[in-house]
Amino acid sequence: SAVISQKPSRDICQRGTSLTIQCQVDSQVTMMFWYRQQPGQSLTLIATANQGSEATYESGFVIDKFPISRPNLTFSTLTVSNMSPEDSSIYLCSGSTSGNYNEQFFGPGTRLTVL
Amino acid sequence: AQTVTQSQPEMSVQEAETVTLSCTYDTSESNYYLFWYKQPPSRQMILVIRQEAYKQQNATENRFSVNFQKAAKSFSLKISDSQLGDTAMYFCAFMKGGGTSYGKLTFGQGTILTVHP
Repeated sequence: SAVISQKPSRDICQRGTSLTIQCQVDSQVTMMFWYRQQPGQSLTLIATANQGSEATYESGFVIDKFPISRPNLTFSTLTVSNMSPEDSSIYLCSGSTSGNYNEQFFGPGTRLTVL
Repeated sequence: AQTVTQSQPEMSVQEAETVTLSCTYDTSESNYYLFWYKQPPSRQMILVIRQEAYKQQNATENRFSVNFQKAAKSFSLKISDSQLGDTAMYFCAFMKGGGTSYGKLTFGQGTILTVHP
């Protein structure tokens, strides 16, 4: 198993600013993902964070709005750029290990409020 | 594309009783996995139970079991001897078994379960 931590756990930001969320795993994971959970809603996959290359984005999400980095097998960041109140959500990262992709571990999430 | 549907926005149960949460899904894939995740107020997503589509036997984990009906594309979760700590949002999720989408989860809308003392 893997333990995933996220920073910050919550933040309140002003419209038009950007926030970078960090995701740290206590062991190497092959795959890392970023999800968004809007208030009272389900989780929606934003992108797959690829180590050493550009992230793979799902339909409706673009790199300019949600730039993602993954410099190694234990760390990733998600930036929410030029924020608007519609970006108020919980952002979660997850990871899974090689050979066991069907077991995915989640971080505790970052609750973002945009005023 | 896959879709996952949970038709029960909210459920409640008395402590020690049994409750069943419903989930249906739509896919043209033959190789896939199904999951139930629990999200308590702490927001931490916790894997409750997992089912491989190629397995006919229903998965069980202590008080949690599933009724997997592959032909009907149904995947319900039964919680026996409900406990106060089971109070949470429960999500049904789908994952393809291979290809470029391997590892990506598609979630249902969630069911809020409240266990009453």
